[in-house]
Formats: sequence, structure tokens, C-alpha cells
Amino acid sequence: DAGVIQSPRHEVTEMGQEVTLRCKPISGHDYLFWYRQTMMRGLELLIYFNNNVPIDDSGMPEDRFSAKMPNASFSTLKIQPSEPRDSAVYFCASSWSVAGNYEQYFGPGTRLTVT
Amino acid sequence: AQKITQTQPGMFVQEKEAVTLDCTYDTSDPSYGLFWYKQPSSGEMIFLIYQGSYDQQNATEGRYSLNFQKARKSANLVISASQLGDSAMYFCAMREGSTSGTYKYIFGTGTRLKVLA
Repeated sequence: DAGVIQSPRHEVTEMGQEVTLRCKPISGHDYLFWYRQTMMRGLELLIYFNNNVPIDDSGMPEDRFSAKMPNASFSTLKIQPSEPRDSAVYFCASSWSVAGNYEQYFGPGTRLTVT
Repeated sequence: AQKITQTQPGMFVQEKEAVTLDCTYDTSDPSYGLFWYKQPSSGEMIFLIYQGSYDQQNATEGRYSLNFQKARKSANLVISASQLGDSAMYFCAMREGSTSGTYKYIFGTGTRLKVLA
């Protein structure tokens, strides 16, 4: 089975541009998570969805960040406008609540560089 | 206050020996889960092991075991018979919030393990 798929794997953009990161969770998983990893702040949970509904977005840093999950197989994280401090690796993860242990399967990440 | 504390930024271990990576946590939620993930230099996050707060026995997965001491609020990862491929960053994480229905997932700052030949 395919794991969590993220695209693009690398993104370089200029400050002020809009950036859209994409994620396809594992089929059948009902939870989807967006994380950001930086050297300074470590791994931070930004937002998560349950059955396509945003449950907790308290980790979203500011209004420039938005996330959507229009269906069970697709989610986006958008940054508009982007700033150099948004440079990080962004991970998407999914999990299946029925499994009981809530193990999260992570995607390969998107390395974002904002110049 | 840190919810997940990993006090060892870096560790060395000789190949084939066992190593313990420390993790302490802080929560008032009676129902929570503890996880360990491995992040090799390639960057992906790999799930290793899970321990539920109500689990009576320590979790084990192959060479990985979780030394769960609830009263001390510690969840140390033990890797037996270390291999060169175990060299990576290891993250301890906690899921809490079952009473509110809104889960929080918090990760520690990680421990970088280097296995020596």
C-alpha cells in the first residue's frame, strides 16, 4: 500500500509568494495531521482533521496559514504571503482511530525554503 | 512548562550493546498515549512503539521496548543489541486530551543516537 504522499518534496519561493503544500493520507485513515519541523522549535503540530473536519488549529502560527481537507483523500496547507521564517520541513501524517494505538504514519515531508 | 522532556541531546552506544533513551512527560489527563519515533538522516519519521496509559505491561516491538513508569511519569525507550542502522534522531511524543475530545500531540526535542562500530 502507498504511504502518506506529499507534494512537492522541495519548494523554494520568494518572500510574499503563496505556497501550497499537498497531502494524500493513507486510504481509510480518518485523522490527518500537519506538522512543522525546524531546528529552533522542533516538531510542532499545526492542525489536525478528523473525518475531514478541522478539530484543532491552535498550532497554526498566524492568519497567513490555512489548511483544508475537501475530501478524505486530500488536504492542503497554504501560506499566503510566505515569509523567510516559514522555512521548515512540513510533514503530513495520518492515522486510523479504530486501530486503537493512534499510530501516526508520516509522509516524507516538504522542505520549504522562503528567500 | 515542557510537557515532554528528553534530557539527552546526544548519545553514543557501542554496536550490539543496549541503550536507554530517556523521556519524561507531564499531563493531568488520566488517559494518554506515549509514542517513540525514529528520524534517520534521510528525514522521514518512523513509528517505533506505543504505550497507553492504562496498559498494564510495558510495550515491546522487536528490539524496542518501552520502560513505562507511570508514577514517575517516565517512558524510556530501550533499544537492545544496537545496530549501525539505529543511528538517528529519536523523538518521544504524547497524545493527551481524551477528556475534552480534542487531542493534543506533543513531541520532545529529540535525542540523537550514534551507534559506534
